[in-house]
Amino acid sequence: NAGVTQTPKFRILKIGQSMTLQCTQDMNHNYMYWYRQDPGMGLKLIYYSVGAGITDKGEVPNGYNVSRSTTEDFPLRLELAAPSQTSVYFCASSYAGRTEAFFGQGTRLTVV
Amino acid sequence: AQSVTQPDIHITVSEGASLELRCNYSYGATPYLFWYVQSPGQGLQLLLKYFSGDTLVQGIKGFEAEFKRSQSSFNLRKPSVHWSDAAEYFCAVGAIKDNQGGKLIFGQGTELSVKP
Repeated sequence: NAGVTQTPKFRILKIGQSMTLQCTQDMNHNYMYWYRQDPGMGLKLIYYSVGAGITDKGEVPNGYNVSRSTTEDFPLRLELAAPSQTSVYFCASSYAGRTEAFFGQGTRLTVV
Repeated sequence: AQSVTQPDIHITVSEGASLELRCNYSYGATPYLFWYVQSPGQGLQLLLKYFSGDTLVQGIKGFEAEFKRSQSSFNLRKPSVHWSDAAEYFCAVGAIKDNQGGKLIFGQGTELSVKP
């Protein structure tokens, strides 16, 4: 069972470059989320989606964009990478708002 | 403001000893409560959850947690720790209102080390 799959697992970006973190889930979940994890800070919600075509900002959305064209995919876009975006990024999904979230393995991003 | 506090950043216990990880939350409505575990380099795995009903919930790997509304706490316990339990543990709260349970607010995490 694949669950939530994130690619790539690791990436190094130069300041000002752009990239897309991919996330796909095969559980037919309506809700999807992007979190970032920084040491000693827990996880912070970046963006979330409650269904295809619907996205909304979380706690720390600045510098990121998302889209949700299908139920399965929820890519996260960094347009102008900055050192402050060095972090571990987790994608998650849940069947509905009232159920637990399932997490991917994470993408470790370093911006230099 | 909604928040989750895990007072202990790092805890070390001996293998076979009991464990309690503390979690306090601040939330204006009835919360969903979760404990997740993260092994090094891995994603988060759900240990247990509380939505409603019995305030003592059982989870995987022999863990349990008790919801105490009067204390705004959801502490995680295990009677006998195994070396494989060494990991980082996160408490999280999700909103029931407006079907926002997946929008989780996480605590800072507690790193557990296990001595042989």
